[in-house]
Amino acid sequence: TQLLEQSPQFLSIQEGENLTVYCNSSSVFSSLQWYRQEPGEGPVLLVTVVTGGEVKKLKRLTFQFGDARKDSSLHITAAQPGDTGLYLCAGDPGNQFYFGTGTSLTVIP
Amino acid sequence: DTGVSQDPRHKITKRGQNVTFRCDPISEHNRLYWYRQTLGQGPEFLTYFQNEAQLEKSRLLSDRFSAERPKGSFSTLEIQRTEQGDSAMYLCASQGTLTYEQYFGPGTRLTVT
Repeated sequence: TQLLEQSPQFLSIQEGENLTVYCNSSSVFSSLQWYRQEPGEGPVLLVTVVTGGEVKKLKRLTFQFGDARKDSSLHITAAQPGDTGLYLCAGDPGNQFYFGTGTSLTVIP
Repeated sequence: DTGVSQDPRHKITKRGQNVTFRCDPISEHNRLYWYRQTLGQGPEFLTYFQNEAQLEKSRLLSDRFSAERPKGSFSTLEIQRTEQGDSAMYLCASQGTLTYEQYFGPGTRLTVT
């Protein structure tokens, strides 16, 4: 059982569509981070959410932290081929830094 | 460039050989992490340093794995008597004091034949 479960695991959409990726846990996190990783490279930090209920926007990406700080979501508006990659949520519930199971996104031109 | 760097980027070795990877963190960061990642999965925590002290080590980490950070700056990860199951991407990340974010290097891709 993974501490951070992401859904969906795989997502293939057409350019211009919207999508949401979910990151869920039964543990409480003081913060959650979202990363994007391209093949053969290390993860690149996108955002950190800290406060329960917090919403952060990064151009076409909207990140939300659940009120109870156990879950988070990433919404992408009008997806572009450049958004293709592995999206990872991550955080430390108090003992160790964990990564989510990952969502592999493919945006088809 | 002041980001995290790792060397080498790729390593191919025969089963039973020893390999060593190096990580240079962001200079002002006192925390350094090692992770292992297999294809399509999220990174899996291996070990963590604060300055030169190794504070945590995953229970999944075999005795064949050892990591050092002798002067609290760069770190090395050694794998002895490599096995095919060790084939993976090995990632290093650094983190500053009182911050949440980890910054990753480009990784070392290990292939054990």
